[in-house]
Amino acid sequence: AQSVTQLDSHVSVSEGTPVLLRCNYSSSYSPSLFWYVQHPNKGLQLLLKYTSAATLVKGINGFEAEFKKSETSFHLTKPSAHMSDAAEYFCVVSPAGQLTFGSGTQLTVLP
Amino acid sequence: DTGVSQDPRHKITKRGQNVTFRCDPISEHNRLYWYRQTLGQGPEFLTYFQNEAQLEKSRLLSDRFSAERPKGSFSTLEIQRTEQGDSAMYLCASSTGQGETQPQHFGDGTRLSIL
Repeated sequence: AQSVTQLDSHVSVSEGTPVLLRCNYSSSYSPSLFWYVQHPNKGLQLLLKYTSAATLVKGINGFEAEFKKSETSFHLTKPSAHMSDAAEYFCVVSPAGQLTFGSGTQLTVLP
Repeated sequence: DTGVSQDPRHKITKRGQNVTFRCDPISEHNRLYWYRQTLGQGPEFLTYFQNEAQLEKSRLLSDRFSAERPKGSFSTLEIQRTEQGDSAMYLCASSTGQGETQPQHFGDGTRLSIL
């Protein structure tokens, strides 16, 4: 079975500083991995996806993630946080198209 | 691309009543998914359709839950005899192709509150 573990339930950064949201995955084969973002009372928006074409994946709004097979990790990063980045972020694995979500990381951006 | 549309956005009902939610996917998407999200948790998969065929329904939470997609376009999710524990956000998503590598596009959800 495939699963993901988000290592931090809450992350707080100052505006303009780097963001790191950590995700480890468990899979017996090379998985399809995604990061989604959810703003309050809204649906989920896709940030980026990994499907084995390239280990460094660039997404929207300046986010990127690196797939590291040796570490079974897929951490999400952004060089400089904006206030508008404050939201819930989900690391997601996709066995047979049925998305399996991590428990989420709430990102707070301080002025 | 008008996005995935869900109706209603909010539903408040008394325990024991039946409720039905509607999802209109992106028009060219043949796959449609339903998820449930409770407070503070990530969404959990319920069921999905490819065109009008329901390919997975074992993850529906109980026999009170059912879903249809009669013409392969919009879908409905029905909960019969609602219980307090059914209070949650119900999310719909759609995608093209085989689904595993194709991203799913989500609607804004229907928030259900059971009194």
